[in-house]
Amino acid sequence: DTGVSQDPRHKITKRGQNVTFRCDPISEHNRLYWYRQTLGQGPEFLTYFQNEAQLEKSRLLSDRFSAERPKGSFSTLEIQRTEQGDSAMYLCASSLAGADIQYFGAGTRLSVL
Amino acid sequence: TQLLEQSPQFLSIQEGENLTVYCNSSSVFSSLQWYRQEPGEGPVLLVTVVTGGEVKKLKRLTFQFGDARKDSSLHITAAQPGDTGLYLCAGQAGSNYQLIWGAGTKLIIKP
Repeated sequence: DTGVSQDPRHKITKRGQNVTFRCDPISEHNRLYWYRQTLGQGPEFLTYFQNEAQLEKSRLLSDRFSAERPKGSFSTLEIQRTEQGDSAMYLCASSLAGADIQYFGAGTRLSVL
Repeated sequence: TQLLEQSPQFLSIQEGENLTVYCNSSSVFSSLQWYRQEPGEGPVLLVTVVTGGEVKKLKRLTFQFGDARKDSSLHITAAQPGDTGLYLCAGQAGSNYQLIWGAGTKLIIKP
């Protein structure tokens, strides 16, 4: 499978715990995006990398959220001190620089109890 | 603030009927994409439209980009239960990498 893969698919955690998600983009894609999606809504942009550089971070993203892409390949999204409001589907997408099309992974569904 | 408004938000129809979903904005987009998303999965790209007035067909699905590149429509002919899902439009403005997303149309086709 050469698509975007995300791990885990589902995560249940207790409020206050830290969680980390991983995204492996399509191998030749140099851009990687993280989105959050709640039920019945479109994806909400969180952050974006070109290669290993994090070029943009949504103002809606609290300081509890951090993302890395250390070698310009896979990326991780960490949420510290999770809150119930963090419960959502976290989507990763990748694309080639200059191309409009983003390809999405299946997402990680986070439930914070 | 750029916004994409999708309508209707929810549509439930019988198998065999036709339907149209709309995606409207006051902003101009360099391209607009339509995705379909099934529960528990990520969005899957259906089509990208780039040129004003462009029409693309994907089997029973017809996509149109408005002449002014501010709006788009998706028309499904003879809907089937397999068409059930959340249909999302997303627009890209100029060289900005960010996609502006609509809230989606939840479509249910009853057999």
